[in-house]
Amino acid sequence: NAGVTQTPKFQVLKTGQSMTLQCAQDMNHNSMYWYRQDPGMGLRLIYYSASEGTTDKGEVPNGYNVSRLNKREFSLRLESAAPSQTSVYFCASSPRGSSYNEQFFGPGTRLTVL
Amino acid sequence: TQLLEQSPQFLSIQEGENLTVYCNSSSVFSSLQWYRQEPGEGPVLLVTVVTGGEVKKLKRLTFQFGDARKDSSLHITAAQPGDTGLYLCAGAASGTYKYIFGTGTRLKVLA
Repeated sequence: NAGVTQTPKFQVLKTGQSMTLQCAQDMNHNSMYWYRQDPGMGLRLIYYSASEGTTDKGEVPNGYNVSRLNKREFSLRLESAAPSQTSVYFCASSPRGSSYNEQFFGPGTRLTVL
Repeated sequence: TQLLEQSPQFLSIQEGENLTVYCNSSSVFSSLQWYRQEPGEGPVLLVTVVTGGEVKKLKRLTFQFGDARKDSSLHITAAQPGDTGLYLCAGAASGTYKYIFGTGTRLKVLA
């Protein structure tokens, strides 16, 4: 099992460019999450999907959109990248939407916006 | 807005020393998790505590959930270089899928 995979691993964008971060899990998990990690800030929730077909905003959703394409895949889109979106982005999945469940994280995408 | 404050932010200790990391909030959580993150990787779950006052042990690591379910601590006995990493606490309020992560404690254990 690959677990949670993320592509790309690294990306450099210019201000105003758009891109989509891809995430896939092969554990048949219902819930998926997107976080960003900045120095000294821990992880902040951008969007989450409790189950296939549903998405909800997290703490910092502005400037992002998501698509839960199917049960396996959850993508994050930056329509017009800004330097403030320079960060490390983590995708995670969980068996079902519950505060008791473990989250399994991908290796992250390191994004720099110039 | 729920916040989880961790202290200390940074900790550098010698192998064999003991240490405690704290995770505090003014909000009540239905459960609290501790993760460890290595450089260049995603966080990995260490433990989940769900009952106020609960204590869980994982080898040399002892986790405690506060009686009021607003705070937690992680105690490491006889730290080893392999314990080096970023320790994160994460909490979720009852009935929500949203996890709030703490600011993190970066631990370095010197041989």
